[in-house]
Amino acid sequence: RKEVEQDPGPFNVPEGATVAFNCTYSNSASQSFFWYRQDCRKEPKLLMSVYSSGNEDGRFTAQLNRASQYISLLIRDSKLSDSATYLCVVNTGGKLIFGQGTTLQVKP
Amino acid sequence: EAGVVQSPRYKIIEKKQPVAFWCNPISGHNTLYWYRQNLGQGPELLIRYENEEAVDDSQLPKDRFSAERLKGVDSTLKIQPAELGDSAVYLCASSPGLYNEQFFGPGTRLTVL
Repeated sequence: RKEVEQDPGPFNVPEGATVAFNCTYSNSASQSFFWYRQDCRKEPKLLMSVYSSGNEDGRFTAQLNRASQYISLLIRDSKLSDSATYLCVVNTGGKLIFGQGTTLQVKP
Repeated sequence: EAGVVQSPRYKIIEKKQPVAFWCNPISGHNTLYWYRQNLGQGPELLIRYENEEAVDDSQLPKDRFSAERLKGVDSTLKIQPAELGDSAVYLCASSPGLYNEQFFGPGTRLTVL
């Protein structure tokens, strides 16, 4: 079993749609959690950190459920520019473990 | 502020040849990471440095890979000899501390023929 698992997709959605990505992790001792975004042939960049209380940044909402070892990312009102791969990332003992990534394609 | 710098951006070599990648982290970042990313996968950690000390190299294939960060600033990752399966993007990242955001460089895309 992979330490961080994501549905690779692709998710094909129309502009304006709401889309949700899920991720599970196996190590209950993991300390911090992130969503990174990676555009085609570019490096990963931090999208947002994920907290147990849930956090929102504009159209993006992230949630963490420690009991279920589950992380989610919700994107509202999708834009063409949201098309990218979204990487679920878990920090365990200072080591970042990346999921496979979920590809989102927003279409006009 | 300058980001993480890596060179070269692209490298094509024949198998059994040596290759080296260079990384200059963001100024003041003590923690430096080397990752390998295969197509369709997330990055996988190869080695982590705290200043000049390699504190996690458990994922580094030590028979052919080596790395150094002699003065605790820039770093070099070497492969000798390269194999076909080493074709990937090699990413360098740095952070101010162990649990802080990691900033990635643009990567070196290696193709081994």
